[in-house]
Amino acid sequence: EVQLVESGGGLVQPGGSLRLSCAASGFTFSDHYMDWVRQAPGKGLEWVGRIRNKAKSYTTEYAASLKGRFTISRDDLKNSLYLQMNILKIEDTAVYYCARSSPDSDGHHSFDYWGQGTLVTVSS
Amino acid sequence: DIQMTQSPSSLSASVGDTVTITCRASRGVTTHIGWIQQKPGKAPKSLIYAASSLQSGVPSKFSGSGSGTDFTLTISSLQPEDFATYYCHQHHIYPLTFGGGTKVEF
Repeated sequence: EVQLVESGGGLVQPGGSLRLSCAASGFTFSDHYMDWVRQAPGKGLEWVGRIRNKAKSYTTEYAASLKGRFTISRDDLKNSLYLQMNILKIEDTAVYYCARSSPDSDGHHSFDYWGQGTLVTVSS
Repeated sequence: DIQMTQSPSSLSASVGDTVTITCRASRGVTTHIGWIQQKPGKAPKSLIYAASSLQSGVPSKFSGSGSGTDFTLTISSLQPEDFATYYCHQHHIYPLTFGGGTKVEF
């Protein structure tokens, strides 16, 4: 059974940093692209970024508005995904989900499994 | 960025109904869209990828269609567990983007 379990959320002051983790199990983690998606309270889903697999040199993509503050990394030996968030702003308050992605027949990767999310609250 | 516009933003339905949700992309995404279900306070669940392919374990009451810029999600024989918010998203080009959601309620 595919499982994704996020951790590391909490209350942080504006300007602070936080590192989220996502522990994966039930599948070959190293094969998959992985994503972070967030959801502000009462709002819709917003893509944060993606990290590709080793075959694609662990390259990353980010939402333009977050690039430079957020960094995605992974440790395939630990089956773990990470999101380093710096210079946090009040508007970064959200539930952060990790999601696994898998390729379709065209090689485009779409979300297929999601974690339960971890809440990040940025407030003074 | 590709904008994904869903309609309606909410709809009222009854058990047993068939409902259709529409998603329009601001430019062509071939068939690289997916549909996601989210119940209140719960994690998203992926239903469909590549416009019409069901994710593993998703019942056939859910169906998707479309290509280019116009897509639909149809839910047949609505059951109480289907009342949720549904999002489309495009996985054609970065940044990946979501529609604003459609809340299906009583």
